[in-house]
Amino acid sequence: GEDVEQSLFLSVREGDSSVINCTYTDSSSTYLYWYKQEPGAGLQLLTYIFSNMDMKQDQRLTVLLNKKDKHLSLRIADTQTGDSAIYFCAESRGNQGGKLIFGQGTELSVKP
Amino acid sequence: DGGITQSPKYLFRKEGQNVTLSCEQNLNHDAMYWYRQDPGQGLRLIYYSQIVNDFQKGDIAEGYSVSREKKESFPLTVTSAQKNPTAFYLCASSVRDRDNTEAFFGQGTRLTVV
Repeated sequence: GEDVEQSLFLSVREGDSSVINCTYTDSSSTYLYWYKQEPGAGLQLLTYIFSNMDMKQDQRLTVLLNKKDKHLSLRIADTQTGDSAIYFCAESRGNQGGKLIFGQGTELSVKP
Repeated sequence: DGGITQSPKYLFRKEGQNVTLSCEQNLNHDAMYWYRQDPGQGLRLIYYSQIVNDFQKGDIAEGYSVSREKKESFPLTVTSAQKNPTAFYLCASSVRDRDNTEAFFGQGTRLTVV
């Protein structure tokens, strides 16, 4: 069945790099997304990657996709305290833009 | 400003009562979605609508109902049949049925049933 898995917690020091990992099962997903959620708020799209790409870089964010292993990662360079939030990996369901399958979310804690 | 608005932010209801959560968007999006968020479980799709006067069940539709009488509005009713209604509810919208379309989320409504 369809499933997206993430580890629940990650703690890093300010200035270090953070790497958040995700595995998914649906090989037909065309896009994979990373969303950020701050406490008590909605979700904000951080970045996405098309399934035929291996890597995408956007300022401090780098997304790596290993389609063979169905593994997705988000690297945040020079992590700041303002990056503390929950990060969700999500895969699209075929061509349905807002129909997403979400992972459980990884809570990133950045310590000064 | 364009966006998606959910109200209220916090909602308390007694067990056995129906309650309706509001979701309005002025982004001119055709598609709208309701998700439920529980701690440690991520978001799960309740209902979605691709166009006015049409909607489909998502993964956890039991105990919920929706309507889509206007493009801008997609209210969600949590009925007394929903066994565990206490959760954080998120509404989203997107351009209809296209890949790589960003889903815009509202700020959520936290429903507590006592």
